[in-house]
Order: sequence, then C-alpha cells, then structure tokens
Amino acid sequence: GNSVTQMEGPVTLSEEAFLTINCTYTATGYPSLFWYVQYPGEGLQLLLKATKADDKGSNKGFEATYRKETTSFHLEKGSVQVSDSAVYFCALPQGNTGKLIFGQGTTLQVKP
Amino acid sequence: EAGVTQFPSHSVIEKGQTVTLRCDPISGHDNLYWYRRVMGKEIKFLLHFVKESKQDESGMPNNRFLAERTGGTYSTLKVQPAELEDSGVYFCASSQDPGTWGETQYFGPGTRLLVL
Repeated sequence: GNSVTQMEGPVTLSEEAFLTINCTYTATGYPSLFWYVQYPGEGLQLLLKATKADDKGSNKGFEATYRKETTSFHLEKGSVQVSDSAVYFCALPQGNTGKLIFGQGTTLQVKP
Repeated sequence: EAGVTQFPSHSVIEKGQTVTLRCDPISGHDNLYWYRRVMGKEIKFLLHFVKESKQDESGMPNNRFLAERTGGTYSTLKVQPAELEDSGVYFCASSQDPGTWGETQYFGPGTRLLVL
C-alpha cells in the first residue's frame, strides 16, 4: 500500500530562518499529495496540496513541489514566523479509497 | 458555511467506562472519516462512511469501537469499555465526492480523549 515518511522533529528555528520539512512517499499511481497543519489547541487544517507531478502547492508562504523522480513532497518556507509554530503532517490517499495515510508529524517551534 | 464540528472537545474517563464521540460533517458531504492520533504518533485511519453505509472499517482497532451514521448526517463513535491505550485525539473529516486522487478532506478540531 501507499506510505509516507516524514522527517522527525522537533525542529526549532529562529524567526526569519528558512524551513524545510522532508517528506517522501511510496505510491501506486500518482495520487494527490497533501500537507496538513495543526496549530496549538486547534484541529487539522489543509495547508496545501498538489494533484500531479511537478505541481507546486503553495499557501501562507509555504510551498511544496510534487517530485515524481525523487518521490518527494518537501515543505519549504523562506522566512518562518513565530505564528508558524505547529505540527505539520504530510499525507496521501490510499489508492482510490479516499482514506489518508499520514506521516508521523513534524513539530516546528519558531523562537523570536 | 460551517466546518466539521466535533463534540466533546475533551473527555476524561476511567478505564472501563463508555464514551461517545460525535461528529457533524459539512452539510452535503456524503463522505465521513474517523482518524485517531495516539501519543504523538502518526494519524491513523479508523473508518469511512459514505452516507449511512460503512465503506471501509479496516482501521477500527477492535470490537470495543462502534461507529454509526444513522440517516447519513452526523456520526458517533462509541468506545465501550474504554482502555488506557484508547487515549488520543480522535479526528473526524468529511469530503463531498468519493475520495479519489485529488479530493480534499476537511477536518474537525478533534476530541481529546484521556482514559485513566
């Protein structure tokens, strides 16, 4: 079945630093890829997604490019803020069942 | 448009007791999913409803868990009797179309369950 591997955290950065959170996947076919975020005390929110190879998803200054050749979907942001402190999850669907397979989550802490 | 809502937001119960979690999906969304995150691990799928029918319940841990979606609207997830390892955050999500390659699932805020 499909699977996703996400870099372990926690990741601690200073404000305005560059962020990369690695995500690699194995999948049958070419499913959509997602990044979800959970801010402290809140539920999961869709951050961005990409639906086909070479697509770039972007939102709130975050970007991730669907790389078929490296089976990766790394999350990047050029300049993080304290408000970006959260847990980030990479995910993809299992076949055409709809159920999502998640990575273990990466906790990001941004210090002023 | 209201998002996915879940009730309660937190629940603390003793081992052996029963707890029922509720999820109200986005209006018009036929697909409803339950997930769980235990102790900082990955979020795992529990089951999937299409309207009132269970499409996939392969992720349900054991027969102490019972999910229902009568009438195809809200869903309940009952744990009876609860065990310590059931502690975690239970998320509900909904989507409009059958979850294929690109469909986005919208998540609720989760219910934080602690079994003592």
